[in-house]
Amino acid sequence: QSVLTQPPSVSAAPGQRVTISCSGSSSNIGDNYVSWYQQLPGTAPKLLIYENNKRPSGIPDRFSGSKSGTSATLGITGLQTGDEADYHCGTWDSSLSAGVFGGGTKLTVL
Amino acid sequence: EVQLLESGGDLIQPGGSLRLSCAASGFTFRSYVMSWVRQAPGKGLEWVSSINTGGRTTYNADSAKGRFTISRDDSKNTLYLQMNSLRAEDTAVYFCAKDAISGAGLGNWGQGTLVTVSS
Repeated sequence: QSVLTQPPSVSAAPGQRVTISCSGSSSNIGDNYVSWYQQLPGTAPKLLIYENNKRPSGIPDRFSGSKSGTSATLGITGLQTGDEADYHCGTWDSSLSAGVFGGGTKLTVL
Repeated sequence: EVQLLESGGDLIQPGGSLRLSCAASGFTFRSYVMSWVRQAPGKGLEWVSSINTGGRTTYNADSAKGRFTISRDDSKNTLYLQMNSLRAEDTAVYFCAKDAISGAGLGNWGQGTLVTVSS
């Protein structure tokens, strides 16, 4: 059971927009920055978003992040078949003094 | 170019010990927090441990406390994870990652090393 809650799967058609939610509590998302990771099949995760809404260099602006209260959201516009991957949210939990991840969301581009 | 190369994964019996290493290059290793994250087969990511710059402060997941020890050798640009009293549920791919899960995020990851705990 993950500390952060993500939907197991989402799907959308190529070119469409999709959002992935990440729900937590006041001690984790409510108190710390959220990061998002993309994991293509068989590969290591890759940082997509840090500090809630910032993109590392090289990450296209089709990817966006937001945070409100104890929830965070990853948005992807202009979906491409190459975006099919697992997406994970993560943050620090101030009460646990530990890092925490969501269970991951599998994105299918139909 | 940042590179992180893990090694040390193996098939080990329950109760055994293993030390993972992560050789870093392409950045000033001593200036960054470093972390270990694992992923059991078919499961999501699980944060395991992080170590601050200088190595004096470490943080561990409950699943790792008392059994796993993270350390670093800045003279060798290498991160370690000493794992003792291994259990079947520790079976996973172990990734090392640069930086912390919050703030700057885990900006670079190694390819992972597989630890299989089984008799």
